[in-house]
Amino acid sequence: AQSVTQLDSHVSVSEGTPVLLRCNYSSSYSPSLFWYVQHPNKGLQLLLKYTSAATLVKGINGFEAEFKKSETSFHLTKPSAHMSDAAEYFCVVSGYNQGGKLIFGQGTELSVKP
Amino acid sequence: GAVVSQHPSWVICKSGTSVKIECRSLDFQATTMFWYRQFPKQSLMLMATSNEGSKATYEQGVEKDKFLINHASLTLSTLTVTSAHPEDSSFYICSASPRKRVLSDTQYFGPGTRLTVL
Repeated sequence: AQSVTQLDSHVSVSEGTPVLLRCNYSSSYSPSLFWYVQHPNKGLQLLLKYTSAATLVKGINGFEAEFKKSETSFHLTKPSAHMSDAAEYFCVVSGYNQGGKLIFGQGTELSVKP
Repeated sequence: GAVVSQHPSWVICKSGTSVKIECRSLDFQATTMFWYRQFPKQSLMLMATSNEGSKATYEQGVEKDKFLINHASLTLSTLTVTSAHPEDSSFYICSASPRKRVLSDTQYFGPGTRLTVL
């Protein structure tokens, strides 16, 4: 079975400093992995997706994530945080042979201080 | 591209009434649409998967007679909360997967519908 664990429920950074949101996954096959962002009272926006083409995946708004099979990790990073990055971030794995179902992590709330 | 809309964005209703929420894929055809429920400060919980032209598949613990799902076309799915009660108050989000030759696992999400049952 697939699962995903977001290691931090809340991360706080100062504007202009790097962002690191941690995610570990469990899968018995080569998974598709995603990061989505959710601003308050909004739907989810796809930041980036890993599908085995390249281990370093670049997404929108300066975010990127690196797939590390040996560590079963897919951490999300950004070199310099903006105030507008404050939101909830979800690490997601695609369920194998489950008709496209997604399995969500519990989410990490990112706060950005001025 | 890949825009999903929901209507209404928020709704308040009286206990015992039914509420219909629409989910539309605006610029692509969606073979599969998904309905989620999200409680405050929590992750998304999958309620059901709907495939165009067939019955929806509900997750364990979700009452199919209470949450009626209809996927009548490749661009529209509806969720009807029947005989709503205050405990049904929540944020409901739909998503859609584009129709492709190869099954796509990328889902595009709607903006959500805030339901409040008085």
